[in-house]
Amino acid sequence: SQQGEEDPQALSIQEGENATMNCSYKTSINNLQWYRQNSGRGLVHLILIRSNEREKHSGRLRVTLDTSKKSSSLLITASRAADTASYFCAIFSGAGSYQLTFGKGTKLSVIP
Amino acid sequence: DSGVTQTPKHLITATGQRVTLRCSPRSGDLSVYWYQQSLDQGLQFLIQYYNGEERAKGNILERFSAQQFPDLHSELNLSSLELGDSALYFCASSDPRISGEKLFFGSGTQLSVL
Repeated sequence: SQQGEEDPQALSIQEGENATMNCSYKTSINNLQWYRQNSGRGLVHLILIRSNEREKHSGRLRVTLDTSKKSSSLLITASRAADTASYFCAIFSGAGSYQLTFGKGTKLSVIP
Repeated sequence: DSGVTQTPKHLITATGQRVTLRCSPRSGDLSVYWYQQSLDQGLQFLIQYYNGEERAKGNILERFSAQQFPDLHSELNLSSLELGDSALYFCASSDPRISGEKLFFGSGTQLSVL
């Protein structure tokens, strides 16, 4: 399966702390994306990192990609209560496959 | 607001019935994706259409079918419904020519099969 697997499944931190979520996958990728889902709502795209990139930033988000280890991490700095949500990594393998496959997500709770 | 519209937001039906979920993609997006989200299976890719043609197929049951119409809206048809089909069904759209492989998701249709 090309599905990414997030770790941990759940994470609880205090407001102001940093949150780190990891994603591992099994096959080669074209790009890896991170999405956020507030409870029961649609997913929102956060950031996309391509296979030839190692690090990307967007506001308080920092994503790293290590293709040799087939893993990625999402760091949210200075977390806020509003960051409480589930975070999913999604794998786009390219090479004729147009599927974007999602992991099961990390549920982040930020306590005020 | 992602610009992707899904109707209805909620659907309650009985086993054995057939339902149709509708999706209007963002203006100009040629690709439409359907996903099923359940607590035990996570977010499962069902099918993708690009400009009216099926492009990729995932874990879609034979009881399910989809199509994309000339105006680019899409419908997902679920038939002979079972209790296990209860889930949140998402539609997403993209235009690889502009936004790459980034998907824009609708707010979903919550299907309850009783």
